[in-house]
Amino acid sequence: QKEVEQDPGPLSVPEGAIVSLNCTYSNSAFQYFMWYRQYSRKGPELLMYTYSSGNKEDGRFTAQVDKSSKYISLFIRDSQPSDSATYLCAMSAWQAGTALIFGKGTTLSVSS
Amino acid sequence: KAGVTQTPRYLIKTRGQQVTLSCSPISGHRSVSWYQQTPGQGLQFLFEYFSETQRNKGNFPGRFSGRQFSNSRSEMNVSTLELGDSALYLCASSFLPSTAGSGANVLTFGAGSRLTVL
Repeated sequence: QKEVEQDPGPLSVPEGAIVSLNCTYSNSAFQYFMWYRQYSRKGPELLMYTYSSGNKEDGRFTAQVDKSSKYISLFIRDSQPSDSATYLCAMSAWQAGTALIFGKGTTLSVSS
Repeated sequence: KAGVTQTPRYLIKTRGQQVTLSCSPISGHRSVSWYQQTPGQGLQFLFEYFSETQRNKGNFPGRFSGRQFSNSRSEMNVSTLELGDSALYLCASSFLPSTAGSGANVLTFGAGSRLTVL
């Protein structure tokens, strides 16, 4: 079992839809959870950053962490064609010297 | 404020050759990490440098190496290239190293160097 599992999609939605992206993980030591967005031929850019469990909202984006279920989500409201990209979840543990562990990414396409 | 700069952006090599990739971090960032991204494996951690010292290393063979200079710029080298080394190599910088213990690895990535091995 991989440490982080993410459905690769592709996920296709119409403009204005609510999008739900998810990752599951197996390492209970993970404390920091991030979502990165990667456009074609670009590097990943940080979208959301969450520590431990709970919700965090930033504009149209909401990140949720459920540590009891080892499950994280990213919701995108009122999706736009410009949201078409690959979304990567990433996580790290508290222990010093641990690198980020990434999911493989979900490809999202929003049609106008 | 300039972002993370990687050069070259694209390169083609043949099996057995070696390649050197360069990364200039965000000004003030002293930690540089390297990741390999492939369709099959996703992003995989290669190594991290902070203050010219390797602080962390992923599970890659010794053909993959790196270094960091006093100005925080970093290079990674892959020797004896194999077809499976074809990938997007991403460099990321951060203010703190992972060994700071906070776990808060907020990384800023460059656009990557796309390596094709023929």
